[in-house]
Amino acid sequence: DTGVSQDPRHKITKRGQNVTFRCDPISEHNRLYWYRQTLGQGPEFLTYFQNEAQLEKSRLLSDRFSAERPKGSFSTLEIQRTEQGDSAMYLCASSLAWAHSGNTIYFGEGSWLTVV
Amino acid sequence: KQEVTQIPAALSVPEGENLVLNCSFTDSAIYNLQWFRQDPGKGLTSLLLIQSSQREQTSGRLNASLDKSSGRSTLYIAASQPGDSATYLCAVSAGQGGSEKLVFGKGMKLTVNP
Repeated sequence: DTGVSQDPRHKITKRGQNVTFRCDPISEHNRLYWYRQTLGQGPEFLTYFQNEAQLEKSRLLSDRFSAERPKGSFSTLEIQRTEQGDSAMYLCASSLAWAHSGNTIYFGEGSWLTVV
Repeated sequence: KQEVTQIPAALSVPEGENLVLNCSFTDSAIYNLQWFRQDPGKGLTSLLLIQSSQREQTSGRLNASLDKSSGRSTLYIAASQPGDSATYLCAVSAGQGGSEKLVFGKGMKLTVNP
């Protein structure tokens, strides 16, 4: 069990550039989640997938954000035309089936984004 | 809209103390409540999960209780150790529409001094 893997761990980008983060969930997990966390705050939900289907998106996920999970395995989160307010840690998590039925959710180490 | 509150935001204690961390939430329609630990610059580690039908869960020195009707949960840490120093976050699984999203509090930063 290699856990949830995220890449890159750190990214510094200039305002206006596009960035993409990748998440590899635990292999047998069919649920994959993206959260965003800023300093001193708890994580905020962005979106989640069951297999390759994106089932819920937060209103935080503006049209500059897009997430995919093309084959129901890894996922990517792309931010277009980055703004300074996008600076945060982007957390990926995965779980088996229904997390709210008691299946533990596992988080990755996060991808830090700094927009300068 | 579900809101989760953790008070205080930070706590510093000497080693060996028994601790109680508090969490409150505004909407009692939840599927479960979870406590997580987060070390600086790291992801979250799930500590305990309490289903809405349960009253408490225990793991080692940790015990979490849930009072859904009053919208409160406590995490009890027995005989605290310096290695317990971290930020502890409470999260509820939103019940409306079967949503899978977790709603987190801001966390409580715990420092246990040797």
